[in-house]
Order: sequence, then C-alpha cells, then structure tokens
Amino acid sequence: DAGVTQSPTHLIKTRGQQVTLRCSPISGHKSVSWYQQVLGQGPQFIFQYYEKEERGRGNFPDRFSARQFPNYSSELNVNALLLGDSALYLCASSELTGGLDQETQYFGPGTRLLVL
Amino acid sequence: AQSVTQLDSHVSVSEGTPVLLRCNYSSSYSPSLFWYVQHPNKGLQLLLKYTSAATLVKGINGFEAEFKKSETSFHLTKPSAHMSDAAEYFCVVSGYSGSGNTGKLIFGQGTTLQVKP
Repeated sequence: DAGVTQSPTHLIKTRGQQVTLRCSPISGHKSVSWYQQVLGQGPQFIFQYYEKEERGRGNFPDRFSARQFPNYSSELNVNALLLGDSALYLCASSELTGGLDQETQYFGPGTRLLVL
Repeated sequence: AQSVTQLDSHVSVSEGTPVLLRCNYSSSYSPSLFWYVQHPNKGLQLLLKYTSAATLVKGINGFEAEFKKSETSFHLTKPSAHMSDAAEYFCVVSGYSGSGNTGKLIFGQGTTLQVKP
C-alpha cells in the first residue's frame, strides 16, 4: 500500500507570495494533519482535518489555512510568506478510530519550503 | 497541558553497544506516547506507541520503551546499536483537553543519535 504522499518535494518562494502544498493520505484514512518543522526543532502542529471539517488548530496565524476534499486529500495554503515560514511541512494521516486512545499518525516525506 | 522533554540533544554510541534515549512527559490525562525516527531528508517513521496497555512496548528494528508513570518517563532503548540507527529521534505525547483527544501530537525537541564504527 502507498503511504502518505506530498507534493511538491521542494519549493522556493519569495516574501509576500502565496504557496499551496498538497497531501494524499493512506487509503482508508479519513483524517489529515499538518505540521511545520523548522530546522533543528521538533514538528509543530498546524491543523487537523477529519471528514472535511477542521478538528484542531495550532498556534499559527490566519495566513495559514487548509482544506480537505471529498477524497480525503488535503491542501495547506500559506499567504503573505515570511522568511520565517521556511521549513519542512509534514502531512500525516490517521484512521481516527475514536475514543481516548490517540489514533496513530503516519507521516509523509514532507515539502521543504524556502522563502527568500 | 501536555509536554515532553527529551533530556539529551545528542547521544553518541559505538556500534554494537546499547542505546538509551531519555524522555520525560507531562500530562493531566492518561497519555498516549510515541517515539518517531527521522533519517536525514526523510519524513517521520513510527517506532512504537504506548496507549495504556502493557508498560513495556516493543517497536520496530529492535527498539523498545518502558512507560513509568511514577517517574513520568518513556525512555527508548535498544540492546545493540547499528550504523543504520543514526538519525533524529522524537518523543511525542498526544494532546488532550476536557472534551477529549485534540488530534494534536506534541513533539520533543529531538535527540540526535550518532553511531560510531
């Protein structure tokens, strides 16, 4: 089975531009989460979507937005890019089985964004 | 609120010797805990997870971790390091609120494991 896929793998933008990152979850997974990993740090939670609805949001500005499509794939959009947005953006998918047990999140290879 | 602290930013071992990567957690709820590994220029791979079943959890590639509630620890071990184990390791706790699972994973700062020949 294919794992989580992300596109593009690398991206270079300039300050003020907008970017769209894409993610396809593992087949059968209905939840997609997005994380930002700045060099030398652990990933930081941005969003989680389930059944096309936003289920959770991290401490990121409104410049960051996302959506989930009927086929459970997802896009992350970042407007008005800043130099500090340069990072590895990771997408994770999960089945979201419910209950108190945390669903396991499986990560894609990431999109490396460089803002100049 | 939940948090994790990885006690070592860098660990160096010789090939064939044991590995110990230390992690302490803080959670108001019964936590779900994970260890993920990240090889250079790669995504995150799940090594193992603890979800309130057995306190000793076995994962892939010979790794295991023990949940100790009294010490709020979840240290990762491996009896014998291999060169391919060199990577960044993250201890992770699940996020909970009064209404349940938030869907958020909270990562530690990471521990770089170096394996010397």
